[in-house]
Amino acid sequence: GAVVSQHPSRVICKSGTSVKIECRSLDFQATTMFWYRQFPKQSLMLMATSNEGSKATYEQGVEKDKFLINHASLTLSTLTVTSAHPEDSSFYICSARESAFRGYTFGSGTRLTVV
Amino acid sequence: GIQVEQSPPDLILQEGANSTLRCNFSDSVNNLQWFHQNPWGQLINLFYIPSGTKQNGRLSATTVATERYSLLYISSSQTTDSGVYFCAVFRVEIQGAQKLVFGQGTRLTINP
Repeated sequence: GAVVSQHPSRVICKSGTSVKIECRSLDFQATTMFWYRQFPKQSLMLMATSNEGSKATYEQGVEKDKFLINHASLTLSTLTVTSAHPEDSSFYICSARESAFRGYTFGSGTRLTVV
Repeated sequence: GIQVEQSPPDLILQEGANSTLRCNFSDSVNNLQWFHQNPWGQLINLFYIPSGTKQNGRLSATTVATERYSLLYISSSQTTDSGVYFCAVFRVEIQGAQKLVFGQGTRLTINP
């Protein structure tokens, strides 16, 4: 079945630095990938839709200059949290869909802690 | 935007019990999925169920799209069933954007 790989699984960074998170579709091509954010004991909130070869579409309230998304190939999307601050600490998860007739598959998530 | 409501928010059961989780959605959707989020945060896809009924071992799900709800049944619960169960609906917006919108989840605790 479809597999989505996400790295790193856990990262601790200093305030003011940038962190890059990778999301790869391992056995299928994905023209569209999605990035979610989840705070403790809360649901997943869609941050942005990553489109291969074009600009990402951000949800209302998400700062596109802080959360840079690059979807340079059909199997890789990256999320870069720029100038991270403690309030950016969260669980970030990506997802993709193998085909229009299948459900979404999620990566294992990245737990970001900004100190 | 579309609203997804799950009930109950929390459920505590003894091992061996059966349970029913509900997902209501406010508008027509193109599809619906049920997920189990394990303690490590991984989202496990349980069912991709736009309509009808599906079964997988002790789990089954039913979606009645015309009435805008879905049910997840767990029979003979085991402690490993503990975690958060999410319902998510997939919708194609008028502008062509695709979105998977999550409910708030049901936190299930199975005690030995």
